[in-house]
Amino acid sequence: DADVTQTPRNRITKTGKRIMLECSQTKGHDRMYWYRQDPGLGLRLIYYSFDVKDINKGEISDGYSVSRQAQAKFSLSLESAIPNQTALYFCATSAPLGTGSYEQYFGPGTRLTVT
Amino acid sequence: QKEVEQDPGPLSVPEGAIVSLNCTYSNSAFQYFMWYRQYSRKGPELLMYTYSSGNKEDGRFTAQVDKSSKYISLFIRDSQPSDSATYLCAISREAAGNKLTFGGGTRVLVKP
Repeated sequence: DADVTQTPRNRITKTGKRIMLECSQTKGHDRMYWYRQDPGLGLRLIYYSFDVKDINKGEISDGYSVSRQAQAKFSLSLESAIPNQTALYFCATSAPLGTGSYEQYFGPGTRLTVT
Repeated sequence: QKEVEQDPGPLSVPEGAIVSLNCTYSNSAFQYFMWYRQYSRKGPELLMYTYSSGNKEDGRFTAQVDKSSKYISLFIRDSQPSDSATYLCAISREAAGNKLTFGGGTRVLVKP
């Protein structure tokens, strides 16, 4: 089974709708991230969380909110979706400082289309 | 100006050729450098990690960092069709690689 899972994998929604993307991980990591990927722009950080009670805005948080329900679960919400939020969304996890691990582990992505 | 610039490609090479990928960055506060590989319809996977100027080799892959020029490179020797993917450079101010800043990615196609 995959270490980082995302649901749904694909979603088409209409402008103004609220939508939630979910991420679960079995790696036991405390750090989790949400990115969006647009062609030519690489991945841009939306929100990150270093533990259940620590949530921080990233580079492009406007229009998004997150919830860290448990160490293993981190959800991204679009309160009122707009077409320029059409993108590929990735969740990632990483081990804490001091472990000697620097890799971020990514989920398979959610392709979101807002019409 | 973006913090990290990367040529989007696509870069098409014949099998066996050397692939050369580059990124430039603008802020000397970035001290840790990574290359991620992303296959179509998949999440990125870490390929190389380095934090010092110079070269680091791992099999057919060599990562090169020039901090004085704020320039990083990835070389793939003896390229294979299985190397066809998008390659993303990523930089960080922190050793743990958190809060990464990514380049836009270069799409590479290795033709048999």
